[in-house]
Amino acid sequence: AQSVTQPDIHITVSEGASLELRCNYSYGATPYLFWYVQSPGQGLQLLLKYFSGDTLVQGIKGFEAEFKRSQSSFNLRKPSVHWSDAAEYFCAVGITSGTYKYIFGTGTRLKVLA
Amino acid sequence: NAGVTQTPKFQVLKTGQSMTLQCAQDMNHNSMYWYRQDPGMGLRLIYYSASEGTTDKGEVPNGYNVSRLNKREFSLRLESAAPSQTSVYFCASTFMSNTEAFFGQGTRLTVV
Repeated sequence: AQSVTQPDIHITVSEGASLELRCNYSYGATPYLFWYVQSPGQGLQLLLKYFSGDTLVQGIKGFEAEFKRSQSSFNLRKPSVHWSDAAEYFCAVGITSGTYKYIFGTGTRLKVLA
Repeated sequence: NAGVTQTPKFQVLKTGQSMTLQCAQDMNHNSMYWYRQDPGMGLRLIYYSASEGTTDKGEVPNGYNVSRLNKREFSLRLESAAPSQTSVYFCASTFMSNTEAFFGQGTRLTVV
């Protein structure tokens, strides 16, 4: 069955430190890949997406993600975290299996220490 | 351009009551989705509609029904609410299979 795994439920980093959030997917082909951010009490905002081409994609707010086909991964990175980045981050895949479905991981909650 | 609009934003139900969550999008999107969000479980797909006139079960469809009323509207119905359905519900839509999803602001539902 198709699935998305975010192995880290919580991550804490200091402001200014680098960040990497992990995402692995299970699917027979290359899906469409997305990262979303959710601030407390808010809806979801798209950070970046990968469909094809260059495997390193740039997004908003200084985030980037790298697609690695061999590892079925799409990890999110940021070189220097800001206190305002504290939020919950979701990896999602869009897959076509008869019809098109959009599946999310369980999320990683990021805490930033001043 | 309102995007995806969900109503209501908050609701408290008694066990056994029924209600319908409404969702409408004005972006001419083909596909629409209902998710529930619970702590530690991320967003789980309840039902989706790939196009007008079609609906399919997602990961957690039990206790819910949906109607794709037209291209714009996709409603979620709880026929007999249970405390286990206490959650935050999100509606989303996509234009095509390789485009991002746009989300409503969510409905916080409490079943007592």
